[in-house]
Amino acid sequence: DGGITQSPKYLFRKEGQNVTLSCEQNLNHDAMYWYRQDPGQGLRLIYYSQIVNDFQKGDIAEGYSVSREKKESFPLTVTSAQKNPTAFYLCASSISAYNEQFFGPGTRLTVL
Amino acid sequence: GDSVTQMEGPVTLSEEAFLTINCTYTATGYPSLFWYVQYPGEGLQLLLKATKADDKGSNKGFEATYRKETTSFHLEKGSVQVSDSAVYFCALSDRSNDYKLSFGAGTTVTVRA
Repeated sequence: DGGITQSPKYLFRKEGQNVTLSCEQNLNHDAMYWYRQDPGQGLRLIYYSQIVNDFQKGDIAEGYSVSREKKESFPLTVTSAQKNPTAFYLCASSISAYNEQFFGPGTRLTVL
Repeated sequence: GDSVTQMEGPVTLSEEAFLTINCTYTATGYPSLFWYVQYPGEGLQLLLKATKADDKGSNKGFEATYRKETTSFHLEKGSVQVSDSAVYFCALSDRSNDYKLSFGAGTTVTVRA
């Protein structure tokens, strides 16, 4: 069953703690993306990776970090430097940068 | 830079009504255009796309035509159902912006029985 999985669906953390969100895809897609969604707003790009072992900052990369050691995995770490981390985080992938993106189900992060 | 402007919601309709969501864009190149739909608590699903001027994307009764002269990509459906209640996002990707997606703010649509 091909697709994009994100885990967990809900995540709670205390202020000041780093947290890592998982994103896995078995679609054999080269490109992967992380977005943040806040209520009533569109999606904003955090980081993206067009190929394994390479990634670029998006529009709101401050306070976040990523790695792309395997083609199928693109974990996102929300660090304590992110001032307002509570949000809905969406991972996406595409065959290549030129093709349409497909999204995972999302992780809702709440920092207490 | 690239940008997408959608009509503001929320939009509330009765079942079988006609739906239009306006979307206009600004891009430096020749973008591809997309409509995504998000159901409550879920990720986004690609609804339809168009990659060049005058292309019409269609899916599940929804349609949108790429109008280069008016820089628009309005979403339409002739007869909505309660199950169409969702948030709809217009988006573009452009070679000049490394094919990154630029999204509109989203339009919330509620269909009442």
